[in-house]
Amino acid sequence: SAVISQKPSRDICQRGTSLTIQCQVDSQVTMMFWYRQQPGQSLTLIATANQGSEATYESGFVIDKFPISRPNLTFSTLTVSNMSPEDSSIYLCSVSREPGGHEQYFGPGTRLTVT
Amino acid sequence: AQSVAQPEDQVNVAEGNPLTVKCTYSVSGNPYLFWYVQYPNRGLQFLLKYITGDNLVKGSYGFEAEFNKSQTSFHLKKPSALVSDSALYFCAVRFSYNTDKLIFGTGTRLQVFP
Repeated sequence: SAVISQKPSRDICQRGTSLTIQCQVDSQVTMMFWYRQQPGQSLTLIATANQGSEATYESGFVIDKFPISRPNLTFSTLTVSNMSPEDSSIYLCSVSREPGGHEQYFGPGTRLTVT
Repeated sequence: AQSVAQPEDQVNVAEGNPLTVKCTYSVSGNPYLFWYVQYPNRGLQFLLKYITGDNLVKGSYGFEAEFNKSQTSFHLKKPSALVSDSALYFCAVRFSYNTDKLIFGTGTRLQVFP
């Protein structure tokens, strides 16, 4: 497994502002992902964070709204830009040690409330 | 594209009784299937996976799951439920053969009563 930490654990933000969420892994991993879990719902993949290149976004998610960085094999950030109350969710990062359909390990999540 | 369904929003079981949380899938090709558990205010924890091999897969905390190709199911089971097993359970399937993306089911809340 992997030990994954996220900062902040929760935040309350005002409409129109941006928040950057950090994800730190205790060892190098190949794959990093960002998910959104809206209240009472399942997980939806936002994007795959690629080391050294632009993230790969899923349908319905765009870079201008959710810019992602991944400067190395242990760290990634997700920014939620120009927030609205609809962005209130739990944001989770996950990692997989290698490609090939192996299990993903999840961070504790960041609970975001937009007022 | 792959999909996964969890037909029950909630499952209630008495402590000590066996439990089953259902999952069915739709895939083209060989499925990669996973179960995760989410405790309140915490991230998801990996329980077990099926990629190939024995149809009965054993995982963490005494859980197991049975892969049934003919019924396209991957039900999660435990012989004797504990109150501490009460949580939200997610089934997931790999999106396609050439990606690591996971598609998650809608989740099943397991409530174990003392």
